[in-house]
Amino acid sequence: KAGVTQTPRYLIKTRGQQVTLSCSPISGHRSVSWYQQTPGQGLQFLFEYFSETQRNKGNFPGRFSGRQFSNSRSEMNVSTLELGDSALYLCASSFLTGGAGNTEAFFGQGTRLTVV
Amino acid sequence: GENVEQHPSTLSVQEGDSAVIKCTYSDSASNYFPWYKQELGKGPQLIIDIRSNVGEKKDQRIAVTLNKTAKHFSLHITETQPEDSAVYFCAASLGDSNYQLIWGAGTKLIIKP
Repeated sequence: KAGVTQTPRYLIKTRGQQVTLSCSPISGHRSVSWYQQTPGQGLQFLFEYFSETQRNKGNFPGRFSGRQFSNSRSEMNVSTLELGDSALYLCASSFLTGGAGNTEAFFGQGTRLTVV
Repeated sequence: GENVEQHPSTLSVQEGDSAVIKCTYSDSASNYFPWYKQELGKGPQLIIDIRSNVGEKKDQRIAVTLNKTAKHFSLHITETQPEDSAVYFCAASLGDSNYQLIWGAGTKLIIKP
């Protein structure tokens, strides 16, 4: 079956702009989590959605937001981009609620965002 | 806040030798400890996990050990092969919530031919 699909794969934006990233989970998976990955920082949890509801949120400013649609697809939005937002943004889906928490999470290839 | 420390940040071993990556977690309520492997250009992939009621788990050439008293857990890879070259991440659940993982910073494993 198809894996987790993230679009676009690469994105270059200018400071102050906003960006929307998309994630299509594995069919049947209802939980989608988002992570920011920067060199040497591991994966930083952004938020997790289950059945269109945000179930948990990491320690990121309000410029980072997300949503989930009825078909479980999720989008993440970053407004007023800063240079420090340059990172690989990963989406993970899992069957049960809890994101990557106690059930296996399947990651997409990520969206590489560069802010200039 | 809670954190997971992972060491070393880079590990270079000869093909065929063993590799060990260690993690320490701070949340005594953590009960789930997965290990993920990330190859270049790909997202992380689960390779093995362990729960707090088990001290050791093996899957072919990989094994994970957990010491709850010391809040340590380790990944052991034996008979390393070139395809083991990747970045490895450990993680620990935030409490027993099922909802969130705290991740280590990653270890870049290099297998020398």
